[in-house]
Amino acid sequence: AQKVTQAQTEISVVEKEDVTLDCVYETRDTTYYLFWYKQPPSGELVFLIRRNSFDEQNEISGRYSWNFQKSTSSFNFTITASQVVDSAVYFCALSAYNTDKLIFGTGTRLQVFP
Amino acid sequence: DAGVTQSPTHLIKTRGQQVTLRCSPKSGHDTVSWYQQALGQGPQFIFQYYEEEERQRGNFPDRFSGHQFPNYSSELNVNALLLGDSALYLCASSYRQGTSTDTQYFGPGTRLTVL
Repeated sequence: AQKVTQAQTEISVVEKEDVTLDCVYETRDTTYYLFWYKQPPSGELVFLIRRNSFDEQNEISGRYSWNFQKSTSSFNFTITASQVVDSAVYFCALSAYNTDKLIFGTGTRLQVFP
Repeated sequence: DAGVTQSPTHLIKTRGQQVTLRCSPKSGHDTVSWYQQALGQGPQFIFQYYEEEERQRGNFPDRFSGHQFPNYSSELNVNALLLGDSALYLCASSYRQGTSTDTQYFGPGTRLTVL
C-alpha cells in the first residue's frame, strides 16, 4: 500500500527564518513520482515540484529547495528566508508510475509571522 | 493561458439531494481527475476521465459518478447526498503521455455544504 506521512501538523516561524517541511512516504513500487503542492487560503492547490524515483538530485528553485533521499524514503522541502506570503498548507503527494492517482499526506500548515 | 476553472464556487444542498459540479481543464490538457478534500485533510482521489471514459477510480461509492465531454470538460455528480459529503471538491487536469499523465494542475475547487 502507498502512504504519505507529514508528521508536522503546524509550524510557526518569524519572517526570514528558514523552515523545513518533512515528508516520509511508503511504496513497494520501484518507479514512482513525488510532488509538493501549496494550498493558500483561497483553496487552490499550486504545483511546486515533481520528482521521479530515479532522480535523487536535490533541487533548488529560488528560496525553495528539496532533499530527496530514497534510503530514508523522505522528500523534504525547505524554504529559505521565509516570507509572510509563504503562509499556506503544504502537501506532499505520491503516485505510482502507471497510475495518476495522487496519494496525499495530511498537510503541514505553515504560518509565517512578520 | 487560462488555468483550470470550476463552477460553482460554493454550493449548499440538503441531505438526499443531487449535485453536479463542473470543471474546464487547462488549455492543452485532455485528462481530468476529481478529488474530495474534507476539512483538515489531504485530497482523496475520486476518479479520472480520459477520452470520455472513467479510467481510474478511488474508494468512493457509486453515488459518485462523472462524465467527460468531447471538449475535455468534465462533470462530477453526487446522488443521495450525505452530511459526510460536505467537502472541497477539486478538479485537476493534465496531459496524457503514454500510460500515465504529466503533472496534475488543480482548479480553485467547489465547496459543497450538505445540511
